[in-house]
Amino acid sequence: DVKVTQSSRYLVKRTGEKVFLECVQDMDHENMFWYRQDPGLGLRLIYFSYDVKMKEKGDIPEGYSVSREKKERFSLILESASTNQTSMYLCASSFETSGLKETQYFGPGTRLLVL
Amino acid sequence: AQKITQTQPGMFVQEKEAVTLDCTYDTSDPSYGLFWYKQPSSGEMIFLIYQGSYDQQNATEGRYSLNFQKARKSANLVISASQLGDSAMYFCAMREENQAGTALIFGKGTTLSVSS
Repeated sequence: DVKVTQSSRYLVKRTGEKVFLECVQDMDHENMFWYRQDPGLGLRLIYFSYDVKMKEKGDIPEGYSVSREKKERFSLILESASTNQTSMYLCASSFETSGLKETQYFGPGTRLLVL
Repeated sequence: AQKITQTQPGMFVQEKEAVTLDCTYDTSDPSYGLFWYKQPSSGEMIFLIYQGSYDQQNATEGRYSLNFQKARKSANLVISASQLGDSAMYFCAMREENQAGTALIFGKGTTLSVSS
Protein backbone atom coordinates (compact mmCIF):
# COMPACT_ATOMS: atom_id res chain seq x y z
CA ASP A 1 0.00 0.00 0.00
CA VAL A 2 1.17 3.46 -0.83
CA LYS A 3 1.65 5.54 2.24
CA VAL A 4 1.77 9.31 2.27
CA THR A 5 2.06 10.81 5.72
CA GLN A 6 1.88 14.38 6.88
CA SER A 7 3.55 15.57 10.05
CA SER A 8 0.46 17.04 11.70
CA ARG A 9 -3.29 16.60 11.34
CA TYR A 10 -4.04 19.87 13.11
CA LEU A 11 -1.86 22.89 13.60
CA VAL A 12 -2.49 26.26 15.26
CA LYS A 13 -0.02 29.08 14.61
CA ARG A 14 0.15 32.81 15.16
CA THR A 15 0.37 35.46 12.47
CA GLY A 16 3.96 36.05 11.45
CA GLU A 17 5.26 32.65 12.55
CA LYS A 18 7.28 30.47 10.21
CA VAL A 19 5.41 27.25 9.60
CA PHE A 20 6.73 23.95 8.26
CA LEU A 21 4.42 21.29 6.90
CA GLU A 22 6.15 17.99 6.24
CA CYS A 23 5.13 15.24 3.86
CA VAL A 24 6.75 11.82 3.49
CA GLN A 25 5.95 9.07 0.99
CA ASP A 26 7.28 5.53 1.02
CA MET A 27 6.71 4.47 -2.60
CA ASP A 28 9.79 5.97 -4.21
CA HIS A 29 7.61 8.38 -6.17
CA GLU A 30 9.38 11.03 -8.19
CA ASN A 31 6.55 13.57 -8.13
CA MET A 32 5.25 15.27 -5.03
CA PHE A 33 2.60 17.95 -4.74
CA TRP A 34 1.19 20.42 -2.25
CA TYR A 35 -2.44 21.47 -2.59
CA ARG A 36 -4.57 23.80 -0.59
CA GLN A 37 -8.26 23.01 -0.08
CA ASP A 38 -10.83 25.66 0.84
CA PRO A 39 -14.63 25.34 0.99
CA GLY A 40 -16.21 26.17 -2.33
CA LEU A 41 -12.84 26.38 -4.09
CA GLY A 42 -11.81 22.75 -4.35
CA LEU A 43 -8.12 21.86 -4.43
CA ARG A 44 -5.60 24.34 -5.75
CA LEU A 45 -2.01 23.50 -6.51
CA ILE A 46 0.60 25.45 -4.57
CA TYR A 47 3.87 23.80 -5.68
CA PHE A 48 5.06 20.51 -7.05
CA SER A 49 8.39 18.77 -7.39
CA TYR A 50 9.44 16.18 -9.95
CA ASP A 51 12.84 15.41 -8.48
CA VAL A 52 15.09 16.14 -5.55
CA LYS A 53 15.89 19.85 -5.32
CA MET A 54 13.52 20.57 -8.22
CA LYS A 55 10.34 22.57 -7.82
CA GLU A 56 7.69 24.18 -9.96
CA LYS A 57 5.14 26.81 -9.01
CA GLY A 58 1.53 25.86 -9.12
CA ASP A 59 -1.49 28.12 -9.34
CA ILE A 60 -1.15 29.85 -5.97
CA PRO A 61 2.52 29.89 -4.86
CA GLU A 62 2.48 33.36 -3.28
CA GLY A 63 3.34 33.28 0.40
CA TYR A 64 4.72 29.74 0.22
CA SER A 65 8.02 28.06 -0.49
CA VAL A 66 9.00 24.39 -0.67
CA SER A 67 11.98 22.20 -0.06
CA ARG A 68 12.84 18.75 -1.39
CA GLU A 69 16.21 17.60 -0.11
CA LYS A 70 15.36 13.89 -0.18
CA LYS A 71 13.20 11.99 -2.63
CA GLU A 72 10.72 10.83 -0.02
CA ARG A 73 10.20 14.16 1.72
CA PHE A 74 8.55 17.36 0.50
CA SER A 75 8.16 20.32 2.83
CA LEU A 76 5.85 23.28 2.51
CA ILE A 77 7.02 26.45 4.24
CA LEU A 78 4.97 29.47 5.19
CA GLU A 79 7.65 32.09 5.74
CA SER A 80 5.36 34.42 7.68
CA ALA A 81 1.96 32.92 8.29
CA SER A 82 -1.10 35.07 7.70
CA THR A 83 -4.74 34.50 8.58
CA ASN A 84 -5.66 34.00 4.93
CA GLN A 85 -3.45 30.91 4.93
CA THR A 86 -5.83 29.18 7.32
CA SER A 87 -6.78 26.15 5.28
CA MET A 88 -6.53 22.41 4.74
CA TYR A 89 -3.21 21.41 3.16
CA LEU A 90 -2.96 18.17 1.22
CA CYS A 91 0.21 16.50 0.07
CA ALA A 92 0.23 13.99 -2.81
CA SER A 93 2.75 11.90 -4.69
CA SER A 94 2.93 9.93 -7.93
CA PHE A 95 5.37 8.23 -10.25
CA GLU A 96 7.05 10.24 -12.96
CA THR A 97 5.46 9.08 -16.15
CA SER A 98 4.14 10.44 -19.39
CA GLY A 99 0.98 8.44 -18.90
CA LEU A 100 -2.31 10.17 -18.33
CA LYS A 101 -3.57 7.44 -16.04
CA GLU A 102 -1.02 7.83 -13.29
CA THR A 103 -3.02 8.59 -10.19
CA GLN A 104 -1.88 10.67 -7.27
CA TYR A 105 -1.84 9.31 -3.74
CA PHE A 106 -2.80 11.71 -1.00
CA GLY A 107 -1.89 12.14 2.62
CA PRO A 108 -4.50 12.70 5.33
CA GLY A 109 -4.17 16.47 5.23
CA THR A 110 -3.15 19.14 7.73
CA ARG A 111 -5.75 21.58 8.99
CA LEU A 112 -3.88 24.79 9.71
CA LEU A 113 -5.39 27.61 11.72
CA VAL A 114 -3.52 30.92 11.76
CA LEU A 115 -4.61 33.27 14.54
CA ALA B 1 -12.81 29.75 -17.36
CA GLN B 2 -13.07 26.76 -15.10
CA LYS B 3 -11.59 23.60 -16.50
CA ILE B 4 -13.65 21.33 -14.24
CA THR B 5 -17.19 22.22 -13.22
CA GLN B 6 -19.19 20.44 -10.57
CA THR B 7 -22.53 22.21 -10.37
CA GLN B 8 -24.01 20.32 -7.41
CA PRO B 9 -22.67 21.61 -4.08
CA GLY B 10 -24.70 18.97 -2.25
CA MET B 11 -26.64 15.83 -3.09
CA PHE B 12 -28.91 13.69 -0.94
CA VAL B 13 -29.77 10.05 -1.53
CA GLN B 14 -31.34 7.21 0.38
CA GLU B 15 -29.49 4.00 1.11
CA LYS B 16 -29.61 1.44 -1.71
CA GLU B 17 -30.55 4.03 -4.30
CA ALA B 18 -28.33 5.09 -7.18
CA VAL B 19 -26.98 8.62 -7.45
CA THR B 20 -25.26 10.59 -10.22
CA LEU B 21 -22.70 13.27 -9.50
CA ASP B 22 -22.17 15.67 -12.37
CA CYS B 23 -18.88 16.80 -13.84
CA THR B 24 -18.21 18.80 -16.99
CA TYR B 25 -14.78 19.73 -18.26
CA ASP B 26 -13.18 22.07 -20.69
CA THR B 27 -10.11 21.24 -22.72
CA SER B 28 -8.84 21.63 -26.25
CA ASP B 29 -6.36 18.80 -25.81
CA PRO B 30 -7.64 15.67 -27.63
CA SER B 31 -5.86 13.44 -25.12
CA TYR B 32 -6.78 13.72 -21.47
CA GLY B 33 -7.72 11.69 -18.43
CA LEU B 34 -10.54 12.15 -15.97
CA PHE B 35 -10.49 11.06 -12.33
CA TRP B 36 -12.93 10.88 -9.47
CA TYR B 37 -11.80 11.05 -5.86
CA LYS B 38 -13.72 10.58 -2.62
CA GLN B 39 -12.88 12.57 0.48
CA PRO B 40 -14.48 11.33 3.71
CA SER B 41 -14.63 13.54 6.77
CA SER B 42 -11.24 12.14 7.81
CA GLY B 43 -9.72 14.25 5.02
CA GLU B 44 -7.80 11.74 2.93
CA MET B 45 -8.49 11.76 -0.81
CA ILE B 46 -9.29 8.29 -2.13
CA PHE B 47 -8.97 7.50 -5.84
CA LEU B 48 -12.17 5.92 -7.21
CA ILE B 49 -12.13 5.66 -10.98
CA TYR B 50 -10.34 6.79 -14.14
CA GLN B 51 -11.52 7.42 -17.70
CA GLY B 52 -9.21 8.14 -20.62
CA SER B 53 -10.40 10.30 -23.48
CA TYR B 54 -9.72 7.53 -25.99
CA ASP B 55 -11.26 4.75 -23.94
CA GLN B 56 -14.02 3.12 -25.94
CA GLN B 57 -16.02 1.97 -22.95
CA ASN B 58 -17.21 3.74 -19.85
CA ALA B 59 -15.07 2.92 -16.85
CA THR B 60 -16.48 0.82 -14.03
CA GLU B 61 -15.06 -0.08 -10.61
CA GLY B 62 -17.42 -2.08 -8.44
CA ARG B 63 -20.37 0.16 -7.54
CA TYR B 64 -18.79 3.11 -9.30
CA SER B 65 -19.23 3.80 -12.98
CA LEU B 66 -18.44 6.76 -15.13
CA ASN B 67 -20.98 8.05 -17.63
CA PHE B 68 -18.57 9.52 -20.17
CA GLN B 69 -20.11 11.67 -22.90
CA LYS B 70 -17.21 13.02 -24.86
CA ALA B 71 -19.16 15.28 -27.20
CA ARG B 72 -20.83 16.94 -24.22
CA LYS B 73 -17.56 17.02 -22.29
CA SER B 74 -19.17 15.40 -19.31
CA ALA B 75 -17.91 12.65 -17.01
CA ASN B 76 -20.57 11.95 -14.44
CA LEU B 77 -19.96 9.53 -11.59
CA VAL B 78 -22.71 7.02 -10.92
CA ILE B 79 -22.79 5.27 -7.57
CA SER B 80 -25.15 2.32 -7.49
CA ALA B 81 -26.76 0.93 -4.33
CA SER B 82 -25.61 3.79 -2.10
CA GLN B 83 -24.31 2.96 1.36
CA LEU B 84 -24.03 5.11 4.47
CA GLY B 85 -20.26 4.97 4.07
CA ASP B 86 -20.56 6.75 0.72
CA SER B 87 -21.32 9.98 2.55
CA ALA B 88 -18.36 12.16 1.65
CA MET B 89 -17.17 14.91 -0.64
CA TYR B 90 -16.48 13.85 -4.24
CA PHE B 91 -14.07 15.57 -6.58
CA CYS B 92 -13.77 15.33 -10.33
CA ALA B 93 -10.30 16.00 -11.74
CA MET B 94 -8.56 16.12 -15.11
CA ARG B 95 -5.09 15.75 -16.51
CA GLU B 96 -4.35 16.96 -20.02
CA GLU B 97 -1.79 15.32 -22.31
CA ASN B 98 0.49 18.32 -22.30
CA GLN B 99 0.47 18.18 -18.50
CA ALA B 100 0.99 14.43 -18.22
CA GLY B 101 3.01 13.49 -15.20
CA THR B 102 2.11 16.61 -13.37
CA ALA B 103 -0.70 17.96 -11.29
CA LEU B 104 -4.39 17.31 -11.61
CA ILE B 105 -6.97 20.05 -12.08
CA PHE B 106 -9.79 19.64 -9.58
CA GLY B 107 -13.39 20.75 -9.49
CA LYS B 108 -14.91 22.35 -6.41
CA GLY B 109 -16.50 19.13 -5.22
CA THR B 110 -19.94 17.76 -4.40
CA THR B 111 -20.97 16.72 -0.91
CA LEU B 112 -22.99 13.50 -0.92
CA SER B 113 -25.18 12.64 2.04
CA VAL B 114 -26.63 9.12 2.27
CA SER B 115 -29.49 8.56 4.68
CA SER B 116 -31.00 5.35 6.01
